[in-house]
Order: sequence, then structure tokens, then C-alpha cells
Amino acid sequence: AQTVTQSQPEMSVQEAETVTLSCTYDTSESDYYLFWYKQPPSRQMILVIRQEAYKQQNATENRFSVNFQKAAKSFSLKISDSQLGDAAMYFCAYRNSGTYKYIFGTGTRLKVLA
Amino acid sequence: AAGVIQSPRHLIKEKRETATLKCYPIPRHDTVYWYQQGPGQDPQFLISFYEKMQSDKGSIPDRFSAQQFSDYHSELNMSSLELGDSALYFCASSARQFYEQYFGPGTRLTVT
Repeated sequence: AQTVTQSQPEMSVQEAETVTLSCTYDTSESDYYLFWYKQPPSRQMILVIRQEAYKQQNATENRFSVNFQKAAKSFSLKISDSQLGDAAMYFCAYRNSGTYKYIFGTGTRLKVLA
Repeated sequence: AAGVIQSPRHLIKEKRETATLKCYPIPRHDTVYWYQQGPGQDPQFLISFYEKMQSDKGSIPDRFSAQQFSDYHSELNMSSLELGDSALYFCASSARQFYEQYFGPGTRLTVT
């Protein structure tokens, strides 16, 4: 069975600084997708970034980028120029290409300090 | 852009009662997913539907059932409610040819 591990329950970053959130996963599949979701206090789940396993290039969305290491089964999220609005719970998620369900990690709570 | 709609947003029920949660996917999305998120926990996959057929099943209790209708909206029916069913229930939708899921705002169910 696939698992997703987020080993950092909580992280803090100073406004305008850079922070990296860690995620590792375990799978025997070769074709899969990885995602980062943000859950602010409103509890709405917001898609931040996605990565296809077959792509070697790391995904980037504005201030958000990932470091995808397929051999190491690592998928970290880097947030540059952190803003107060980035404060939220961040979930890493995994999905096999042949299934529909997501498997989520336990989340990392990010605090942004003014 | 249109988003996933869930109703009701808040629901309070007593033990052993039934509850029905509704989900209206983004237009032209044909796949719907249900998740349960307990307090301080990560979302747990319950069940999904593609083109009105159940496509995948997770940790959904036997007391719960769900279906997707011809207009692609979905309903999660929960019977014999227990205190432990108190949680935030998310619905998400996706278009078959894409792979990212878009989540609704959730229904907060409180069982007293």
C-alpha cells in the first residue's frame, strides 16, 4: 500500500523569506502523480502545485516550486518570498495513475511571522 | 470560475439520525470524490464515482452510501449516526482527462 509521510508537524518562516516543506512517499508504482494542497483556516482545500512522476522537470507555480526526487521518493515544496497569506496547513498527496483516490500526508502547519 | 458546491455547509444531527450531504461538481466534471476529515487529521478518502458508476472505494462505513446522479451531482447518505462521524466532509470533482481534484468548501457535520 502506498503511504505519504510529512515529518514536520509545524514550520515557521519570516515574512519574505523562503521555506521548504518535506514530503516522502512509498510506492512500488512507476506512474503516479503528486500534489501539494493548502488548507487555510477557512478549511477550504486549495491546489497549490502538481507533479507528474514521468516528468523530470520540477513543477513551478509563481512563488511555489517543488523538488521532486523520484529515486529517493521525495517531493518537497519550496515557498519563496513568504507572505502572511501563506499561513495554512499544507498537505502532500499521492495518486496512482490507475486509481481515483488521493492519499494524503498528515500535514504541516506553516506559520508566517511578520 | 465555477467551483464545487456542497450543501448544507453546516449540519447538526443527533445520534442514530440520518444525514444527506449533497455535492454539485464543477460543470463538465464527470468524477466526484468524497473525503472525511476529522479534527486535526488529514482527509480520508471515502468513495468516488465516474460517469455515475462507483469507481473506487476507501474507508467508507457500511452505514454510509453514496451515488452519482444523471446530472453528475452526488449525495452521501449517512445513517445511524455516531459521535465519531462528526467531521468535515469534502466533495471534490475532476474532469476525466485531467488528474487534479478541486475541492468544495466542505460540510461540517456535528453529531450530538
